[in-house]
Amino acid sequence: GDSVTQMEGPVTLSEEAFLTINCTYTATGYPSLFWYVQYPGEGLQLLLKATKADDKGSNKGFEATYRKETTSFHLEKGSVQVSDSAVYFCALSGGRFGAGTRLTVKP
Amino acid sequence: KAGVTQTPRYLIKTRGQQVTLSCSPISGHRSVSWYQQTPGQGLQFLFEYFSETQRNKGNFPGRFSGRQFSNSRSEMNVSTLELGDSALYLCASNRIGIGSISGANVLTFGAGSRLTVL
Repeated sequence: GDSVTQMEGPVTLSEEAFLTINCTYTATGYPSLFWYVQYPGEGLQLLLKATKADDKGSNKGFEATYRKETTSFHLEKGSVQVSDSAVYFCALSGGRFGAGTRLTVKP
Repeated sequence: KAGVTQTPRYLIKTRGQQVTLSCSPISGHRSVSWYQQTPGQGLQFLFEYFSETQRNKGNFPGRFSGRQFSNSRSEMNVSTLELGDSALYLCASNRIGIGSISGANVLTFGAGSRLTVL
């Protein structure tokens, strides 16, 4: 069945550091891919999405590119802020989520 | 527009009791899906309801059940609670159902109901 594998956390970075959170997937067909973010005490919210191969989703300085050849959708941000501290989930259409990666950014 | 509303936000139960959680989706959304979030297991899919019918089901025991009403509000019930049922229960709504591969298949989550079983 479809599945999502995410880089295990937690990840701790200093402010302005570069962030990469790896995500690979297994799926039949051509799913849409999503990154969701969960801030403390809240539910998940959509961060960005991509619907077909080579699409790049972007939002709030975060980017991810749909790579069909490597079945990956890695999340990147060039310069993280303390306010980016949260749990990040990679997901496929069909409601399949990765385990989540907790990011802590220190000032 | 109003978001997804889950009630109650926090509750404490003892082993053997049962609990009912409620989820009101965004107006116009016919799909409601439920997830269990725990530190050890991450986010696990429980089931999805679409237009009052269960369409997808995760790998949970029969103690976990749900239903959806004609106004799309959904409830989930857990009977004979166990310590391991302590978790954050999240519901999410969307317009077209989680089975669609469309990029429009974006889930809007509620803040969750945190259940503690003593």
